[in-house]
Amino acid sequence: EVQLVESGGGSVQPGRSLRLSCVASGFTFDDYAVHWVRQAPGKGLEWVSSISWNSDSIGYGDSVKGRFTTSRDNAKKSLYLQMNSLRAEDTALYYCAKGSGSSIGTLDNWGQGTMVTVSS
Amino acid sequence: SYVLTQPPSVSVAPGQTARITCGGDNIVSYSVHWYQQQPGQAPVLVVYDDTDRPSGIPERFSGSNSGNTATLIISRVEAGDEADYYCQVWDSSGDHRDVVFGGGTKLTVL
Repeated sequence: EVQLVESGGGSVQPGRSLRLSCVASGFTFDDYAVHWVRQAPGKGLEWVSSISWNSDSIGYGDSVKGRFTTSRDNAKKSLYLQMNSLRAEDTALYYCAKGSGSSIGTLDNWGQGTMVTVSS
Repeated sequence: SYVLTQPPSVSVAPGQTARITCGGDNIVSYSVHWYQQQPGQAPVLVVYDDTDRPSGIPERFSGSNSGNTATLIISRVEAGDEADYYCQVWDSSGDHRDVVFGGGTKLTVL
């Protein structure tokens, strides 16, 4: 069974940093792209970042570009999101999701998310 | 960047067919994926590549894609289908690789 478990969320003041983690199990992690998607309270899904299986290709949404950095450690079956210069509008539930085998842009399994609250 | 447009809400009576649209410029040239999100839960993929269903998703869920509109079709709607639904594409045009979501549609079962 595919499992994705996010951690690292919490409350933080504007301008500070936070690092999220996502640990994968139940599949060969280094064969797949993985993604970060967030959802602000009461709002829709917003893409944050994607990283290819070998980290050669990494993309970011416009709202986080230059502030967030995605990385992965295939040996640890883990995905990371380093979030710097946090803003109130970054407050959201952050999900990690696995890309499918046939299409990296199909998010076929999702974690339950970790909540990030940015407030003074 | 590419934009996907969904109606905020759709209502349907139990047993009827729900159609949730997703509009985008020449969306037929993209593979469209659909996610169901129940309240307080993570999204679940219900249709991928326009028309295919992951294992475990009922046959009542289907999709189509033509011209500028993709559609999620839910036949014989049940109370348990009440949820938010999101369309999504992978935009790999130009020099970027972006996941794009529609704004979401709340399906209400009357």
